[in-house]
Amino acid sequence: AQSVSQHNHHVILSEAASLELGCNYSYGGTVNLFWYVQYPGQHLQLLLKYFSGDPLVKGIKGFEAEFIKSKFSFNLRKPSVQWSDTAEYFCAVKDGGATNKLIFGTGTLLAVQP
Amino acid sequence: NAGVMQNPRHLVRRRGQEARLRCSPMKGHSHVYWYRQLPEEGLKFMVYLQKENIIDESGMPKERFSAEFPKEGPSILRIQQVVRGDSAAYFCASSPLETGIGGTQYFGPGTRLTVL
Repeated sequence: AQSVSQHNHHVILSEAASLELGCNYSYGGTVNLFWYVQYPGQHLQLLLKYFSGDPLVKGIKGFEAEFIKSKFSFNLRKPSVQWSDTAEYFCAVKDGGATNKLIFGTGTLLAVQP
Repeated sequence: NAGVMQNPRHLVRRRGQEARLRCSPMKGHSHVYWYRQLPEEGLKFMVYLQKENIIDESGMPKERFSAEFPKEGPSILRIQQVVRGDSAAYFCASSPLETGIGGTQYFGPGTRLTVL
């Protein structure tokens, strides 16, 4: 079965630092990939998604992610983080079966220090 | 366009009671997914429903849990005889279509269930 790994469980950065959060999925074929963000006390919001086409995907709030098929990866990046980026970030892959359920990673908790 | 609505936002139950969690999908969305987030874990799929049909319940515990999405009204996740291990955040997501970009799931604010 498909699985998703997020290797960084907790990340602490200073404002203006660059961010890269790792995400790997377990097997290939056609995949749909997502990054969701959960701000403290709020629900999950979609940051960006990849379905096909350009492997470099631009999302909201200056985030981007690169789909590298050969590495089974979909890492999230932002060149300069802000304090307001403090949140938990979840990578997810859509299961290739009939129901298209999402398989989530365990999340990365990002704390940005002012 | 209102987003996915869930209520209640917080629910406290004693062991053995029933919990009912409601989810109203976004307007125009006919596909509903339920996920559970246990402490320190990511979201885990529970069930996928379309109007009046359960399509995939492979993530549902075999006992005490049930879900429905009637023709009219919200989707309901029902947990009978709750136990402390049911304490979690339960998220609902909806999408207009199954596949492709239209199948993107949009999440509600979640219901945080605490079992005393």
